[in-house]
Amino acid sequence: QQPVQSPQAVILREGEDAVINCSSSKALYSVHWYRQKHGEAPVFLMILLKGGEQKGHEKISASFNEKKQQSSLYLTASQLSYSGTYFCGTENMIKAAGNKLTFGGGTRVLVKP
Amino acid sequence: DVKVTQSSRYLVKRTGEKVFLECVQDMDHENMFWYRQDPGLGLRLIYFSYDVKMKEKGDIPEGYSVSREKKERFSLILESASTNQTSMYLCASSLAPPYEQYFGPGTRLTVT
Repeated sequence: QQPVQSPQAVILREGEDAVINCSSSKALYSVHWYRQKHGEAPVFLMILLKGGEQKGHEKISASFNEKKQQSSLYLTASQLSYSGTYFCGTENMIKAAGNKLTFGGGTRVLVKP
Repeated sequence: DVKVTQSSRYLVKRTGEKVFLECVQDMDHENMFWYRQDPGLGLRLIYFSYDVKMKEKGDIPEGYSVSREKKERFSLILESASTNQTSMYLCASSLAPPYEQYFGPGTRLTVT
Protein backbone atom coordinates (compact mmCIF):
# COMPACT_ATOMS: atom_id res chain seq x y z
CA GLN A 1 0.00 0.00 0.00
CA GLN A 2 1.32 3.41 -1.00
CA PRO A 3 2.15 5.99 1.68
CA VAL A 4 -0.20 8.96 1.73
CA GLN A 5 1.20 12.40 1.02
CA SER A 6 -0.45 15.64 2.01
CA PRO A 7 -1.19 18.17 0.78
CA GLN A 8 -1.54 17.14 -2.87
CA ALA A 9 -0.50 20.59 -4.00
CA VAL A 10 0.72 23.83 -2.47
CA ILE A 11 1.37 27.30 -3.87
CA LEU A 12 3.90 29.52 -2.11
CA ARG A 13 5.35 32.96 -2.49
CA GLU A 14 9.12 33.16 -2.53
CA GLY A 15 10.40 33.20 1.05
CA GLU A 16 7.40 31.38 2.55
CA ASP A 17 7.57 28.05 4.35
CA ALA A 18 5.69 24.81 3.70
CA VAL A 19 5.43 21.33 5.19
CA ILE A 20 4.77 18.14 3.25
CA ASN A 21 3.68 15.05 5.15
CA CYS A 22 4.09 11.37 4.31
CA SER A 23 2.19 8.74 6.31
CA SER A 24 2.43 4.97 6.10
CA SER A 25 0.26 2.19 7.49
CA LYS A 26 3.34 -0.03 7.94
CA ALA A 27 6.34 0.04 10.26
CA LEU A 28 9.14 1.82 8.44
CA TYR A 29 12.88 1.30 8.26
CA SER A 30 13.63 4.39 6.19
CA VAL A 31 12.04 7.24 4.28
CA HIS A 32 13.50 8.75 1.12
CA TRP A 33 12.57 12.13 -0.36
CA TYR A 34 12.88 13.00 -4.06
CA ARG A 35 12.03 16.05 -6.13
CA GLN A 36 11.00 15.94 -9.77
CA LYS A 37 10.98 19.08 -11.90
CA HIS A 38 8.69 19.22 -14.89
CA GLY A 39 9.96 17.01 -17.72
CA GLU A 40 12.92 15.74 -15.72
CA ALA A 41 13.81 12.62 -13.74
CA PRO A 42 13.27 12.52 -9.97
CA VAL A 43 16.33 13.59 -8.01
CA PHE A 44 17.28 12.34 -4.57
CA LEU A 45 17.08 14.83 -1.70
CA MET A 46 17.67 12.83 1.48
CA ILE A 47 17.23 9.58 3.39
CA LEU A 48 15.99 9.30 6.96
CA LEU A 49 16.56 6.15 8.93
CA LYS A 50 14.55 4.94 11.93
CA GLY A 51 15.63 6.75 15.07
CA GLY A 52 13.98 10.12 14.43
CA GLU A 53 16.90 11.56 12.51
CA GLN A 54 16.56 14.97 11.00
CA LYS A 55 18.47 15.73 7.83
CA GLY A 56 18.91 18.77 5.70
CA HIS A 57 19.55 19.72 2.11
CA GLU A 58 20.01 23.46 1.48
CA LYS A 59 17.03 24.96 3.33
CA ILE A 60 15.05 21.78 2.97
CA SER A 61 14.97 19.54 6.01
CA ALA A 62 12.99 16.51 7.09
CA SER A 63 12.05 14.53 10.15
CA PHE A 64 11.02 10.93 10.68
CA ASN A 65 8.73 9.80 13.48
CA GLU A 66 8.91 6.02 13.42
CA LYS A 67 6.25 5.61 16.11
CA LYS A 68 3.74 7.53 14.04
CA GLN A 69 5.08 5.93 10.85
CA GLN A 70 5.36 9.29 9.20
CA SER A 71 7.85 11.77 7.84
CA SER A 72 7.62 15.49 7.18
CA LEU A 73 9.57 17.59 4.68
CA TYR A 74 10.11 21.25 5.56
CA LEU A 75 10.65 23.85 2.85
CA THR A 76 12.06 26.91 4.60
CA ALA A 77 12.31 30.34 3.01
CA SER A 78 11.31 28.81 -0.30
CA GLN A 79 13.07 29.72 -3.53
CA LEU A 80 11.79 29.58 -7.10
CA SER A 81 14.03 26.55 -7.66
CA TYR A 82 12.01 24.58 -5.10
CA SER A 83 9.12 24.25 -7.53
CA GLY A 84 8.43 20.68 -8.59
CA THR A 85 6.75 17.52 -7.38
CA TYR A 86 8.00 15.99 -4.16
CA PHE A 87 7.76 12.26 -3.55
CA CYS A 88 8.36 10.29 -0.41
CA GLY A 89 9.50 6.69 -0.77
CA THR A 90 9.19 4.34 2.18
CA GLU A 91 11.12 1.19 2.96
CA ASN A 92 9.35 -1.25 5.24
CA MET A 93 10.86 -2.69 8.39
CA ILE A 94 10.37 -6.18 7.00
CA LYS A 95 12.48 -5.88 3.91
CA ALA A 96 12.74 -7.85 0.75
CA ALA A 97 16.19 -8.20 -0.77
CA GLY A 98 17.28 -4.91 -2.26
CA ASN A 99 15.99 -1.57 -1.08
CA LYS A 100 12.52 -1.66 -2.47
CA LEU A 101 10.74 1.66 -2.02
CA THR A 102 7.03 2.36 -2.15
CA PHE A 103 6.36 5.91 -3.31
CA GLY A 104 3.55 8.23 -2.39
CA GLY A 105 1.37 10.00 -4.94
CA GLY A 106 3.47 13.17 -4.82
CA THR A 107 2.96 16.78 -3.71
CA ARG A 108 3.11 19.50 -6.36
CA VAL A 109 4.84 22.64 -5.15
CA LEU A 110 4.73 25.92 -7.04
CA VAL A 111 6.81 28.82 -5.75
CA LYS A 112 5.82 32.19 -7.21
CA PRO A 113 7.90 35.38 -7.19
CA ASP B 1 28.34 11.34 -12.03
CA VAL B 2 26.02 8.36 -12.09
CA LYS B 3 24.36 7.98 -15.41
CA VAL B 4 21.20 5.99 -16.07
CA THR B 5 20.12 5.94 -19.69
CA GLN B 6 16.96 4.62 -21.29
CA SER B 7 16.72 3.47 -24.88
CA SER B 8 13.97 5.86 -26.02
CA ARG B 9 12.36 9.07 -24.74
CA TYR B 10 9.15 8.50 -26.72
CA LEU B 11 7.68 5.30 -28.10
CA VAL B 12 4.42 4.58 -29.91
CA LYS B 13 3.29 0.96 -30.24
CA ARG B 14 0.15 -0.84 -31.34
CA THR B 15 -2.02 -3.02 -29.14
CA GLY B 16 -0.70 -6.58 -29.05
CA GLU B 17 2.87 -5.72 -29.97
CA LYS B 18 5.80 -6.94 -27.91
CA VAL B 19 7.67 -3.97 -26.45
CA PHE B 20 11.19 -3.80 -25.05
CA LEU B 21 12.34 -0.93 -22.85
CA GLU B 22 16.02 -0.93 -22.04
CA CYS B 23 17.93 0.70 -19.22
CA VAL B 24 21.69 0.95 -18.74
CA GLN B 25 23.61 2.29 -15.74
CA ASP B 26 27.33 3.00 -15.64
CA MET B 27 28.10 2.91 -11.91
CA ASP B 28 28.22 -0.80 -11.13
CA HIS B 29 25.05 -0.62 -9.03
CA GLU B 30 23.67 -3.87 -7.67
CA ASN B 31 20.03 -2.78 -7.65
CA MET B 32 17.93 -1.77 -10.62
CA PHE B 33 14.25 -0.85 -10.75
CA TRP B 34 11.43 -0.26 -13.21
CA TYR B 35 8.60 2.13 -12.28
CA ARG B 36 5.63 3.51 -14.09
CA GLN B 37 4.47 7.03 -13.39
CA ASP B 38 0.86 8.12 -13.83
CA PRO B 39 -0.70 11.43 -12.72
CA GLY B 40 -1.82 11.35 -9.10
CA LEU B 41 -0.46 7.84 -8.54
CA GLY B 42 3.18 8.71 -8.10
CA LEU B 43 5.82 6.11 -8.93
CA ARG B 44 4.68 2.51 -8.81
CA LEU B 45 7.24 -0.28 -8.79
CA ILE B 46 6.83 -2.88 -11.52
CA TYR B 47 9.90 -5.08 -10.96
CA PHE B 48 13.31 -4.78 -9.39
CA SER B 49 16.55 -6.72 -9.50
CA TYR B 50 19.20 -6.91 -6.78
CA ASP B 51 21.71 -8.94 -8.77
CA VAL B 52 22.33 -10.34 -12.23
CA LYS B 53 19.61 -12.83 -13.22
CA MET B 54 17.74 -12.07 -9.96
CA LYS B 55 14.38 -10.36 -10.09
CA GLU B 56 11.55 -9.59 -7.70
CA LYS B 57 8.01 -8.51 -8.43
CA GLY B 58 7.06 -5.05 -7.39
CA ASP B 59 3.58 -3.75 -6.70
CA ILE B 60 2.17 -3.92 -10.24
CA PRO B 61 3.96 -6.70 -12.19
CA GLU B 62 0.96 -7.96 -14.16
CA GLY B 63 1.48 -7.71 -17.91
CA TYR B 64 5.23 -7.14 -17.58
CA SER B 65 8.40 -9.20 -17.40
CA VAL B 66 12.05 -8.27 -16.98
CA SER B 67 15.49 -9.49 -17.90
CA ARG B 68 18.87 -8.80 -16.35
CA GLU B 69 21.63 -10.73 -18.09
CA LYS B 70 24.37 -8.20 -17.31
CA LYS B 71 24.84 -6.07 -14.21
CA GLU B 72 24.57 -2.76 -16.07
CA ARG B 73 21.47 -3.55 -18.13
CA PHE B 74 17.86 -4.11 -17.05
CA SER B 75 15.13 -4.62 -19.62
CA LEU B 76 11.37 -4.28 -19.20
CA ILE B 77 9.22 -6.35 -21.55
CA LEU B 78 5.57 -5.89 -22.37
CA GLU B 79 4.64 -9.25 -23.88
CA SER B 80 1.45 -7.96 -25.51
CA ALA B 81 1.00 -4.23 -25.12
CA SER B 82 -2.39 -2.92 -24.13
CA THR B 83 -3.78 0.63 -24.06
CA ASN B 84 -3.79 0.65 -20.23
CA GLN B 85 0.00 0.35 -20.34
CA THR B 86 0.26 3.82 -21.86
CA SER B 87 2.41 5.61 -19.29
CA MET B 88 5.78 7.11 -18.41
CA TYR B 89 8.29 4.40 -17.54
CA LEU B 90 11.24 5.24 -15.31
CA CYS B 91 14.29 3.12 -14.64
CA ALA B 92 16.46 3.60 -11.54
CA SER B 93 19.55 2.07 -9.99
CA SER B 94 21.22 2.12 -6.59
CA LEU B 95 23.97 0.60 -4.53
CA ALA B 96 23.02 -1.86 -1.80
CA PRO B 97 20.53 -0.38 0.71
CA PRO B 98 19.89 2.13 2.11
CA TYR B 99 21.38 4.24 -0.63
CA GLU B 100 19.64 6.69 -2.92
CA GLN B 101 18.17 5.69 -6.25
CA TYR B 102 19.32 7.36 -9.45
CA PHE B 103 16.68 7.73 -12.13
CA GLY B 104 16.87 7.70 -15.90
CA PRO B 105 15.08 10.34 -18.04
CA GLY B 106 12.05 8.12 -18.66
CA THR B 107 10.31 6.65 -21.69
CA ARG B 108 6.85 7.91 -22.54
CA LEU B 109 5.08 4.93 -24.08
CA THR B 110 1.83 5.32 -25.97
CA VAL B 111 -0.08 2.18 -26.94
CA THR B 112 -2.73 2.76 -29.60
